[in-house]
Amino acid sequence: DAGVTQSPTHLIKTRGQQVTLRCSPKSGHDTVSWYQQALGQGPQFIFQYYEEEERQRGNFPDRFSGHQFPNYSSELNVNALLLGDSALYLCASSSFRGATKSNQPQHFGDGTRLSIL
Amino acid sequence: KNEVEQSPQNLTAQEGEFITINCSYSVGISALHWLQQHPGGGIVSLFMLSSGKKKHGRLIATINIQEKHSSLHITASHPRDSAVYICAVGSTSYGKLTFGQGTILTVHP
Repeated sequence: DAGVTQSPTHLIKTRGQQVTLRCSPKSGHDTVSWYQQALGQGPQFIFQYYEEEERQRGNFPDRFSGHQFPNYSSELNVNALLLGDSALYLCASSSFRGATKSNQPQHFGDGTRLSIL
Repeated sequence: KNEVEQSPQNLTAQEGEFITINCSYSVGISALHWLQQHPGGGIVSLFMLSSGKKKHGRLIATINIQEKHSSLHITASHPRDSAVYICAVGSTSYGKLTFGQGTILTVHP
């Protein structure tokens, strides 16, 4: 049973470029959350997708957008990259259906490390 | 002030020592999570709790809802326990997590 998989594992971009990161949730999970973790900091919530719609969003600019596909996989897109976007991007999946809205165990991927030059 | 505060930020111990990491939060939560992150970046969920105490092997997690405080204990610490330990709280809907800054634990042989 595969856990949460993210691709690519590492990525180097330059300022102003655009990037797409991908996440496949754990089998049976229908909710995907994205987090940004800067070096030495705890992860920060970017947004969460459920039923192909953005359900919650953290304090991130519109340059950060996402998508969820019918198979529950998800993409995170970042436009007009800035040096400050350099971070580890983590995807976490959970199951909303069949569970209460709260108290959902979340399973994390290994992350995509994005470096902006 | 951060919504989730952890202490200490750095912790060094000798193998075999009893370790405690503390977490305080200031918001209403549905559950509190303790997570472990190794240098490669991947995060492993250790505990999710909303009341009382949970134990798994040498790890024990407790939470006091009234005081908005949780502790993670490691008994008989081992060098392989060296990692970053992160406290995160789940919001009252949809499971959005708010993270503490993490505690860097180093256990020396």
